[in-house]
Amino acid sequence: NAGVTQTPKFQVLKTGQSMTLQCAQDMNHEYMSWYRQDPGMGLRLIHYSVGAGITDQGEVPNGYNVSRSTTEDFPLRLLSAAPSQTSVYFCASSYLQGASEQYFGPGTRLTVT
Amino acid sequence: AQSVAQPEDQVNVAEGNPLTVKCTYSVSGNPYLFWYVQYPNRGLQFLLKYITGDNLVKGSYGFEAEFNKSQTSFHLKKPSALVSDSALYFCAVRDAGNQFYFGTGTSLTVIP
Repeated sequence: NAGVTQTPKFQVLKTGQSMTLQCAQDMNHEYMSWYRQDPGMGLRLIHYSVGAGITDQGEVPNGYNVSRSTTEDFPLRLLSAAPSQTSVYFCASSYLQGASEQYFGPGTRLTVT
Repeated sequence: AQSVAQPEDQVNVAEGNPLTVKCTYSVSGNPYLFWYVQYPNRGLQFLLKYITGDNLVKGSYGFEAEFNKSQTSFHLKKPSALVSDSALYFCAVRDAGNQFYFGTGTSLTVIP
């Protein structure tokens, strides 16, 4: 199993540009989520999904869109990048059962200039 | 609202000494509690979890955690710290709505 994969590893954008961060998992997990990690703030949930066709907002959803057309993929779209979106982004997945732990991808380091 | 607190940003401990990384939580209902570790430039790795039952949970790399319902705490422990344990540690709780809430992280430095 590859686990949770994310692409790209690094990205530099100019203010106003859009892009999609890719996330895929091969563990047949129903639950997938996106977090951003900023110094001193831990991980903050952006969006999550409990299955194909179902998404919901987390703590910091503004400026981001998601879709879940398949169980395996959960892309995160930045609509119009802003410097405040400079961060490290992590995708994670788990079984829907409450006691299941999340598995994390390696992260994408995004810089918006 | 659900929340997780890690009161110490930084913990320093000498190699071979016991270590404790503190975590308290606030969640309605029975909590599912987790500890993760993050090494530099890597994603988070699962260490251990509490579901129900025995209050002392054993996990990977010799780590264990003690669940205390009355104090709403889930402190991470290890009897003898290694330099290689130096990393960022996150406590997390999963609520009945399947959302995970993470603490702000504790940076552990083990001094040789």
